[in-house]
Amino acid sequence: EIVLTQSPATLSLSPGEGATLSCRASQSVSSYVAWYQQKPGQAPRLLIYDASNRATGIPARFSGSGSGTDFTLTFSSLEPEDFAVYYCQQRFNKITFGQGTRLEIK
Amino acid sequence: EVQLVESGGGLVQPGGSLRLSCSASGFTFSTYPVHWVRQAPGKGLEFVSTVTSNGGSTYYADSVKGRFTISRDNSKNTVFLQMSSLRTDDTAVYYCVKDLLPSETYSHYFDYWGQGTLVTVSS
Repeated sequence: EIVLTQSPATLSLSPGEGATLSCRASQSVSSYVAWYQQKPGQAPRLLIYDASNRATGIPARFSGSGSGTDFTLTFSSLEPEDFAVYYCQQRFNKITFGQGTRLEIK
Repeated sequence: EVQLVESGGGLVQPGGSLRLSCSASGFTFSTYPVHWVRQAPGKGLEFVSTVTSNGGSTYYADSVKGRFTISRDNSKNTVFLQMSSLRTDDTAVYYCVKDLLPSETYSHYFDYWGQGTLVTVSS
């Protein structure tokens, strides 16, 4: 099973700052990675698929990059509504999710 | 507007069975694969199962293979998850999820999610 390790576990930042979340795969997953945002009490929302493609309606301040084993989700400037938990997911070999990164307001 | 509404969750004893339903609207249901993804209380996300657009193929996580059965009725825009031999570690919110792409196979990217239904397995 491919294990996805997200770092950091928690990131404390202020609105307006930039942010970078990391997702590392235990073996190559090509570019078959997605990112999801989940707010408390809500279902997840797809942000990015195939490592760098924004899903419909996702603002341009969200961007994804990477291939092989290392992937990042980058925020150009955090908005108050961006504070949530973020999960990466791979679909290269079966389907697995990372354990999540909590992005909290500093 | 795409909507997915799950039902059928509840409390069940270990070893018991439960059938979840997912009613879909707002998209051409018969052209999209549909999935179930679950989330144990306070934990992360875990893929459960997939059914292709015509119902001809199914796919399961190893943790539920042989115990869960996914199916769909395209005439009623509904997907089902029959769960049997339930264990305490099956306790979770179960989300019905639409695939990103219309396809006879699946992309395994999940673009619309229901609000989930809670399944609690406990004696």
